[in-house]
Amino acid sequence: AQSVTQLGSHVSVSEGALVLLRCNYSSSVPPYLFWYVQYPNQGLQLLLKYTSAATLVKGINGFEAEFKKSETSFHLTKPSAHMSDAAEYFCAVSEGSGGSYIPTFGRGTSLIVHP
Amino acid sequence: KAGVTQTPRYLIKTRGQQVTLSCSPISGHRSVSWYQQTPGQGLQFLFEYFSETQRNKGNFPGRFSGRQFSNSRSEMNVSTLELGDSALYLCASSSDRKGADTQYFGPGTRLTVL
Repeated sequence: AQSVTQLGSHVSVSEGALVLLRCNYSSSVPPYLFWYVQYPNQGLQLLLKYTSAATLVKGINGFEAEFKKSETSFHLTKPSAHMSDAAEYFCAVSEGSGGSYIPTFGRGTSLIVHP
Repeated sequence: KAGVTQTPRYLIKTRGQQVTLSCSPISGHRSVSWYQQTPGQGLQFLFEYFSETQRNKGNFPGRFSGRQFSNSRSEMNVSTLELGDSALYLCASSSDRKGADTQYFGPGTRLTVL
């Protein structure tokens, strides 16, 4: 079985500050991990994904995430927040070979960026 | 390449009615998945279709059904609507569903049940 926990339903940062959104997962097989962003009244857009290649994954809009197997984590970071980063962020896990590969999503973290 | 399109974007129905939502995937994508998004439950997987066959199903009652046509377009139907069915329904397409494939989401259909 797989599950995702996103720590913090809301994260508030100042413009220019580091963004850190936390995601922990559980999976009975090697996972695939994803971060999506959702802007108001829109669908989800993929930021980045981990598929068992490099553990540090770079995505769009300056975001990156590091897969840490020992900590079962896949935290999303961005060095400097922009006002345009304000949105809802979702972490998702799907199981690879041998698993169901139906993705399970976290409850989401709302990123608030203050000027 | 055009993205995933969903129609209608907004819908208002009353309890007991039925509704059909439509999704057109990205050209060449054969897998279409449907999700329900609500503030209380978050994003929940409804079902997935691949080459006109339902390949996976989430934990939803039989009132929720879907189908996929030979051109990969998909519809989902909800019968006997309940207030709790009010949600954003998202459709996502991918070339195939093997865990690592990127899913591309449509903008969603906002269903309000009165």
